[in-house]
Amino acid sequence: ELKVEQNPLFLSMQEGKNYTIYCNYSTTSDRLYWYRQDPGKSLESLFVLLSNGAVKQEGRLMASLDTKARLSTLHITAAVHDLSATYFCAVDITTSGTYKYIFGTGTRLKVLA
Amino acid sequence: GAGVSQSPRYKVAKRGQDVALRCDPISGHVSLFWYQQALGQGPEFLTYFQNEAQLDKSGLPSDRFFAERPEGSVSTLKIQRTQQEDSAVYLCASSYGVLGEQFFGPGTRLTVL
Repeated sequence: ELKVEQNPLFLSMQEGKNYTIYCNYSTTSDRLYWYRQDPGKSLESLFVLLSNGAVKQEGRLMASLDTKARLSTLHITAAVHDLSATYFCAVDITTSGTYKYIFGTGTRLKVLA
Repeated sequence: GAGVSQSPRYKVAKRGQDVALRCDPISGHVSLFWYQQALGQGPEFLTYFQNEAQLDKSGLPSDRFFAERPEGSVSTLKIQRTQQEDSAVYLCASSYGVLGEQFFGPGTRLTVL
């Protein structure tokens, strides 16, 4: 069964602290995406990781991909309240003869002032 | 330019009614996806269109669900004889090519009473 699992599911952290969200997936894929979703809103694209070893950074967020370990990380540096949201990773399995993107369970992040 | 739009934003249906949800993708985007997102969960793939061709409908939960994109732009997701378990947010996303970053619409929140 194809699985995309995120850890942790819930994260409450103080402003100024660092933390990492993990995304593990169970199938071969070279492409992984990170999205942000605010309550009641749709998904906003954050990062597109297209190969093993890819690293992307935007502001206080940095994402990386290790396709051999089937693992992506989203690192938060010096968190601020505006980063409070739910973060999803999604794995592209379109090379398997389908056109599916499988989303993770989501990590609900709350940054406390 | 304009993003992905969906209508209606909210729909309340009595059990057994048919509903139709509309998606206007970004102009020129080849790929169009429909997802179902239950409360507190990640989006789940329903179906994929490449232009007007429905290439993957493996995520449609039953034969009550039907999607079309007759001219390769606007798409409609139709649910016949709605059931309470159909209550969810239905998200539409489009992308420029076959693979890659998806741009999501605001979603339609369907409530079946």
